[in-house]
Amino acid sequence: QSVLTQPPSVSGAPGQRVTISCTGSSSNIGAGYDVQWFQQVPGTVPKLLIYGNSNRPSGVPDRVSGSKSGASASLAISGLQAEDEADYYCQSYDSSLSAYVVFGGGTKLTVL
Amino acid sequence: EVQVLESGGGLVQPGGSLRLSCAASGFTFSSYAMIWVRQAPGKRLEWVSAISGTGASTYYADSVKGRFTISRDNSRNTLYLQMNSLRAEDTALFYCVKGRSSSVRYGLDVWGQGTTVSVSS
Repeated sequence: QSVLTQPPSVSGAPGQRVTISCTGSSSNIGAGYDVQWFQQVPGTVPKLLIYGNSNRPSGVPDRVSGSKSGASASLAISGLQAEDEADYYCQSYDSSLSAYVVFGGGTKLTVL
Repeated sequence: EVQVLESGGGLVQPGGSLRLSCAASGFTFSSYAMIWVRQAPGKRLEWVSAISGTGASTYYADSVKGRFTISRDNSRNTLYLQMNSLRAEDTALFYCVKGRSSSVRYGLDVWGQGTTVSVSS
């Protein structure tokens, strides 16, 4: 079981907008710790998409956005393209005794 | 260019040991936390261990606590993971990941290509 909860899968048609949720608790996202989002195309290395809840590194298109509210965060991708098909992971920090760097279980995005 | 490059993976028998290394370049190594993350074939990302920029603070997932030891040599810009008492369930691709700051609480950014650890008799 992951400390951060993500839906196993989401899907959308080209050009549509999809969102991926990441639900935490009062010891991680709810405590104010930053959320990062990573994209992993099968067979490749995870790539940073969003840092500090809503900031995009250079090179990430502005159709990708992140937000955070309370103990949850969301990743939104608009204008879906075939190359967006990948696994997406949220990541944060947890202040409990047994977890520090925490990941969501990952969400498979399928472009229909 | 910021880069991290892992080495040291391989095939080892259950109960054996391996030492992973991660060579960093393109940034001030001692100013950033470093993290090991693993991914078993077809599975999700799993955090393994982390160390602060100075090396003063270390962190371990429950699954590896007491068996793995993280360390760093800031004079050599290198991160290490000593893995003892290896189990079949440790089989995975191990990634070295740069932190976003000297503390692990601010997240991860740059990932290496990974090194494969296989534990089997």
